[in-house]
Amino acid sequence: SQQGEEDPQALSIQEGENATMNCSYKTSINNLQWYRQNSGRGLVHLILIRSNEREKHSGRLRVTLDTSKKSSSLLITASRAADTASYFCATVGGGSEKLVFGKGMKLTVNP
Amino acid sequence: GAVVSQHPSWVICKSGTSVKIECRSLDFQATTMFWYRQFPKQSLMLMATSNEGSKATYEQGVEKDKFLINHASLTLSTLTVTSAHPEDSSFYICSAAPPYGTMNTEAFFGQGTRLTVV
Repeated sequence: SQQGEEDPQALSIQEGENATMNCSYKTSINNLQWYRQNSGRGLVHLILIRSNEREKHSGRLRVTLDTSKKSSSLLITASRAADTASYFCATVGGGSEKLVFGKGMKLTVNP
Repeated sequence: GAVVSQHPSWVICKSGTSVKIECRSLDFQATTMFWYRQFPKQSLMLMATSNEGSKATYEQGVEKDKFLINHASLTLSTLTVTSAHPEDSSFYICSAAPPYGTMNTEAFFGQGTRLTVV
């Protein structure tokens, strides 16, 4: 089952620009997590935001969460070519520990 | 962070044969593990939740007789794709919930297994 929906599906930007990815979900959550996946590889955890938090920062990453709109955004500032990857949001909620992933977004940062 | 090791990283098998994929938590005990599959350019689809010492819980539409899951110990879960067919070719990824649960921290993922059925 999938819950999160990332928007847009693919984004191509120049190095140094900011990249914003949005995620929407359907049910109540305990937390929302963002992951990154390089082509054909495993997942790297980026950041977790709890349902009672509105914003969180980690280095060049900024995540916001709006539980009233059931949406989250991931902002990557001053992007680098190495940020090229697919990004997924995933939610935990409903009393279950399982992580349900959104569709994902392919980010390409051109040098 | 905690380490989850998945083996093999890739496998090619003949149609009709079975393939076993292992997922190990190396430095913590995982009572719960999750198995996902991912088709090219798509997201991760949860297949089943594996609980140590009990039967796995499969997501709707996933054939439990096709994808056998065994979680015999607190550090090992296995996924066996039985009588594999080309349409089973996919990227399979496991994750382990930390001892304190995913309510407060991230899950830990294996490196994934690329299965190709010829």
